[in-house]
Amino acid sequence: QKEVEQNSGPLSVPEGAIASLNCTYSDRGSQSFFWYRQYSGKSPELIMSIYSNGDQEDGRFTAQLNKASQYVSLLIRDSQPSDSATYLCAVADGGATNKLIFGTGTLLAVQP
Amino acid sequence: ETGVTQSPTHLIKTRGQQVTLRCSSQSGHNTVSWYQQALGQGPQFIFQYYREEENGRGNFPPRFSGLQFPNYSSELNVNALELDDSALYLCASSFPGLNTGELFFGEGSRLTVL
Repeated sequence: QKEVEQNSGPLSVPEGAIASLNCTYSDRGSQSFFWYRQYSGKSPELIMSIYSNGDQEDGRFTAQLNKASQYVSLLIRDSQPSDSATYLCAVADGGATNKLIFGTGTLLAVQP
Repeated sequence: ETGVTQSPTHLIKTRGQQVTLRCSSQSGHNTVSWYQQALGQGPQFIFQYYREEENGRGNFPPRFSGLQFPNYSSELNVNALELDDSALYLCASSFPGLNTGELFFGEGSRLTVL
């Protein structure tokens, strides 16, 4: 059973700080990793994809992947109250489908 | 807005009833998958349809079934509803081709089973 683990939080950070969200996965053969953001009462929205070791940056967001440690992280720089949401880490199952295995999500609260 | 629309947005059913949820995928997306998200949990994969065929299924019983139509829209049917079926049901479409986790979710159908 492939698993993705996240701390459910809440993670509380002050406005302007760096928020660091972490995720571990069980399948060493996993190749594709994603971060989705989900506002309360809304559906998940893709914010970052990462496929190789190292960092992937997009604006204020940086995804980091360490396959040896089976670890994925998301850094949000200059956090804003509008970043307050649940962040879901997802790992592609591989095979013939687009199946994603999601973690339970980390609730981020950015305090003004 | 992802261009993926789902209906109905909310519905209430009682145990033993049947429900049909509908999804229109984003234009050009021929792959549709369905996820169940219980409160406080991450989405769980139910199944995926590609070119009108089910080509992958998660750990859900046969009373969860689906269809995809030639215009790539899709339905999720759940028979003999149980209390634990109460959840947000998410439809996601993706670009042509497989093995991509870049999914575009609809706003979901929230099902309550009493």
